[in-house]
Amino acid sequence: QKEVEQNSGPLSVPEGAIASLNCTYSDRGSQSFFWYRQYSGKSPELIMFIYSNGDKEDGRFTAQLNKASQYVSLLIRDSQPSDSATYLCAVPTGNQFYFGTGTSLTVIP
Amino acid sequence: DAGITQSPRYKITETGRQVTLMCHQTWSHSYMFWYRQDLGHGLRLIYYSAAADITDKGEVPDGYVVSRSKTENFPLTLESATRSQTSVYFCASILSSYEQYFGPGTRLTVT
Repeated sequence: QKEVEQNSGPLSVPEGAIASLNCTYSDRGSQSFFWYRQYSGKSPELIMFIYSNGDKEDGRFTAQLNKASQYVSLLIRDSQPSDSATYLCAVPTGNQFYFGTGTSLTVIP
Repeated sequence: DAGITQSPRYKITETGRQVTLMCHQTWSHSYMFWYRQDLGHGLRLIYYSAAADITDKGEVPDGYVVSRSKTENFPLTLESATRSQTSVYFCASILSSYEQYFGPGTRLTVT
């Protein structure tokens, strides 16, 4: 079992809709969770992190964490074509980071 | 400008040659990381460093060597390049929390 798993997609949503991206992790001791956005041919950029159970909102982005079920999700409200990218979930274990393979999101105008 | 730079950005080399990828950061971050990114595998950690002269293996270290004599530099060397090492390589750094910041990447092709 991989440390971090994501549905690779592709996920397509119309402009203005809510995009929902999911990630599961295997280490029950994990304490922090990160979402990165990666445009094609570019490096990953950090968009959100969450440490506590529940929701964390930042603008159009909401991260949701459920430690009992070992999943973390990212909601993008009012999706824009500029949100079209691959979204990576990352979970640190000790000094090492484990990344999911990413979910490709396309927002259709 | 402050941040992380990588060089070269693109490299083509032949099987068996030694190649060094450079990473430089201007933030004085303690931790630095090297990843490779391949289709179907996502980002995989090769090596990381907690401080100058402290390095440790990640998930896929075989065939790679790192050093860190100065806080700001973290070079990655492929001692004898193989085709399976064709990949995009990213360097990253963090200060003390887990918020990683990535360099622009080096696209390496081994022929």
